[in-house]
Amino acid sequence: ETGVTQTPRHLVMGMTNKKSLKCEQHLGHNAMYWYKQSAKKPLELMFVYNFKEQTENNSVPSRFSPECPNSSHLFLHLHTLQPEDSALYLCASSARDRSQETQYFGPGTRLLVL
Amino acid sequence: AQSVTQLGSHVSVSEGALVLLRCNYSSSVPPYLFWYVQYPNQGLQLLLKYTSAATLVKGINGFEAEFKKSETSFHLTKPSAHMSDAAEYFCAVNTGTASKLTFGTGTRLQVTL
Repeated sequence: ETGVTQTPRHLVMGMTNKKSLKCEQHLGHNAMYWYKQSAKKPLELMFVYNFKEQTENNSVPSRFSPECPNSSHLFLHLHTLQPEDSALYLCASSARDRSQETQYFGPGTRLLVL
Repeated sequence: AQSVTQLGSHVSVSEGALVLLRCNYSSSVPPYLFWYVQYPNQGLQLLLKYTSAATLVKGINGFEAEFKKSETSFHLTKPSAHMSDAAEYFCAVNTGTASKLTFGTGTRLQVTL
């Protein structure tokens, strides 16, 4: 499935670094999502964007800053992260921000914070 | 509030045997239910979803799931396991108006010879 791409696939950063994760969808969708997947925990929804507008912030710490310049691109800007932020970060998209819509996921960025 | 419980974090079956992965949901309103599969180093891929049409839902790769309201269950089955089915499987529920999925903790399926 190449409908949703994410870069980089792997990232190692120190706690004082600033980095960005990028997500791009080629499906013509209007809603995009960021999820965090940690070991032994359910996927956690972080942010939702619908037509470039943020519609959900699931109490995410401010060291994570999302950006959605258009319906095809989604970024997650990272700064002063903590080791517990190490996880797989998944991007997803759906045609609309509606409950019955299927979300299509990218392959994820594996983040390690040292 | 919506929630999902997946019974069994690890399930092991022999190749050719029945696969049964359990999912129970909690919801005060009719839910939309999803099963996703995640292969190593990949994102999640939709197997099937229930959106209040037929209660028996057929998905990709020979999987199917049956929505049972009385049991608040949406178990995933496949008659005959293949080695390629080894992966992690996630059940998810959505009961709101927006696309806010709540995922279970996942079940890792192992298929042995």
